[in-house]
Amino acid sequence: NAGVMQNPRHLVRRRGQEARLRCSPMKGHSHVYWYRQLPEEGLKFMVYLQKENIIDESGMPKERFSAEFPKEGPSILRIQQVVRGDSAAYFCASSPTENYGYTFGSGTRLTVV
Amino acid sequence: GEDVEQSLFLSVREGDSSVINCTYTDSSSTYLYWYKQEPGAGLQLLTYIFSNMDMKQDQRLTVLLNKKDKHLSLRIADTQTGDSAIYFCAERKGSASKIIFGSGTRLSIRP
Repeated sequence: NAGVMQNPRHLVRRRGQEARLRCSPMKGHSHVYWYRQLPEEGLKFMVYLQKENIIDESGMPKERFSAEFPKEGPSILRIQQVVRGDSAAYFCASSPTENYGYTFGSGTRLTVV
Repeated sequence: GEDVEQSLFLSVREGDSSVINCTYTDSSSTYLYWYKQEPGAGLQLLTYIFSNMDMKQDQRLTVLLNKKDKHLSLRIADTQTGDSAIYFCAERKGSASKIIFGSGTRLSIRP
């Protein structure tokens, strides 16, 4: 079991470009969570998804950010028209049920230049 | 994580015990967690405790929960250089499934 796989590990985008972050949950896990960690800060919840459904997106910015977890393939966090303030580490976690602890991926570090 | 508060830094001497403290605000929280994050890495679940427990011990780790004061602590016995990391306290609220994290405590070890 390869654990939660995130790619890319590092992503550099110019202001105004799009960033697509991918997360493959652990085998058998159908619950996916995205968190953002700004430099020297804790993790802030963004969105919780199950297959083909967004369960809780209370932490997602209203504009430019979207997430999906299709029936087949990884979960995608998409940031359109990136700005410098989007620079952060984005972590994905998965769990087999909603009451279980999370397993985290190693994160994608997004740098907007 | 405005609902979960931790001190930002802790420095201890190698071989001593480390105690990392955390306070949370939601009395309905059912699970409380401690995660460890090493530089450049993701978060690793260290241990967790159910809200109906007072204490949990796992090798060098001891978790104490004071539900009345909403206070959680993690004690690391015989602290080693490999314990240097950021430790996050987290809670899962009773009626929702997302986990809320504190800002993390950076543990550094003195020789």
